[in-house]
Amino acid sequence: AQSVAQPEDQVNVAEGNPLTVKCTYSVSGNPYLFWYVQYPNRGLQFLLKYITGDNLVKGSYGFEAEFNKSQTSFHLKKPSALVSDSALYFCAVSPLGNTPLVFGKGTRLSVIA
Amino acid sequence: DTAVSQTPKYLVTQMGNDKSIKCEQNLGHDTMYWYKQDSKKFLKIMFSYNNKELIINETVPNRFSPKSPDKAHLNLHINSLELGDSAVYFCASSQDLGTDEQYFGPGTRLTVT
Repeated sequence: AQSVAQPEDQVNVAEGNPLTVKCTYSVSGNPYLFWYVQYPNRGLQFLLKYITGDNLVKGSYGFEAEFNKSQTSFHLKKPSALVSDSALYFCAVSPLGNTPLVFGKGTRLSVIA
Repeated sequence: DTAVSQTPKYLVTQMGNDKSIKCEQNLGHDTMYWYKQDSKKFLKIMFSYNNKELIINETVPNRFSPKSPDKAHLNLHINSLELGDSAVYFCASSQDLGTDEQYFGPGTRLTVT
């Protein structure tokens, strides 16, 4: 069965430092991978996706993610964190591209000034 | 101009009541979804519709019934509400299932007392 793991419930980082939010997946075939962000009392917002092609995907708000097939990972990164990046981040996978998204449990990112 | 809207934003009701949540999207998307986010922020898909047709119905009690009068609207009706139904319900839409980013509504916080 397809699954997504976000091993960290919480990530703390100082403003200006690089940040990484981890995601690993377990699916058969070639996955479609997504990152979403949820600010308090809001719906999820799309950040970026990987379908095929370049393993480094650039998205909104300066975020990027690297697809690593051998490690079945799709970690979210940003070179310099902002306090306004503090939110809940969800990794999601669609195993075949025509199946619904399976979401990870979310990682709360806290950027400290 | 809101892309995906939901009404009401908050819904407080007693056990045993029947309630509905409405969702509309003005993006011209073919696929719409209902998700449930529990108190631990875990996000689970409930239903998915494509061009007014039900294509995904996850393990959800029969008390939950979606209805899509046209492809821009997907409503959720819940019968005989239970305490465990308390959650935030999100509507979302995308052009295709699985490959395209989803646009989420602001959510409806349902509290059953």
